[in-house]
Amino acid sequence: QQQVKQSPQSLIVQKGGISIINCAYENTAFDYFPWYQQFPGKGPALLIAIRPDVSEKKEGRFTISFNKSAKQFSLHIMDSQPGDSATYFCAASSKAAGNKLTFGGGTRVLVKP
Amino acid sequence: NAGVTQTPKFQVLKTGQSMTLQCAQDMNHEYMSWYRQDPGMGLRLIHYSVGAGITDQGEVPNGYNVSRSTTEDFPLRLLSAAPSQTSVYFCASRAGGSYEQYFGPGTRLTVT
Repeated sequence: QQQVKQSPQSLIVQKGGISIINCAYENTAFDYFPWYQQFPGKGPALLIAIRPDVSEKKEGRFTISFNKSAKQFSLHIMDSQPGDSATYFCAASSKAAGNKLTFGGGTRVLVKP
Repeated sequence: NAGVTQTPKFQVLKTGQSMTLQCAQDMNHEYMSWYRQDPGMGLRLIHYSVGAGITDQGEVPNGYNVSRSTTEDFPLRLLSAAPSQTSVYFCASRAGGSYEQYFGPGTRLTVT
């Protein structure tokens, strides 16, 4: 049973467009929601993270929107650039479970020039 | 700092062989973890450690062993490799007071 469901599996966006990736979770004990970015042949790296006490967090062109009642959160990449082409993973963890991360299945983003 | 390092980068094993994937970190992090990455399934936790001498199972521990004799090193042992263990393996670490995990570059393992 996948506790964090991510969609879509892949998306193609034109340069300058908006990429949107969605995640849904089941465990209401989750209290930390990070997004990781992974380039081919590399390990994932933390991109941005949010806690459930805020509905939105923005860092540069990357924004997380969080809907606690719907148990959903999403990543928006504004003004997408070819350098943003990567695989993105949402994740969730809870302090009660030792902060172990549960990952979504990943989304491969391709930004066309 | 080198961060989290993993060796080897690539490995091919025959079914039934055993091997150890190496992981080391130079950030004095308490927490270390091993994940496997398979297409469409994200990263799944195999084993983790909250400090030297302390390890515990994650989501998919069967067929793998770990030990943590030092803060820096966290090797993952495959006891008898199976084709189902073909995957990319990532080691990660984080400080005790932080949520951010730092990942190594990964080991691509193929079991034939």
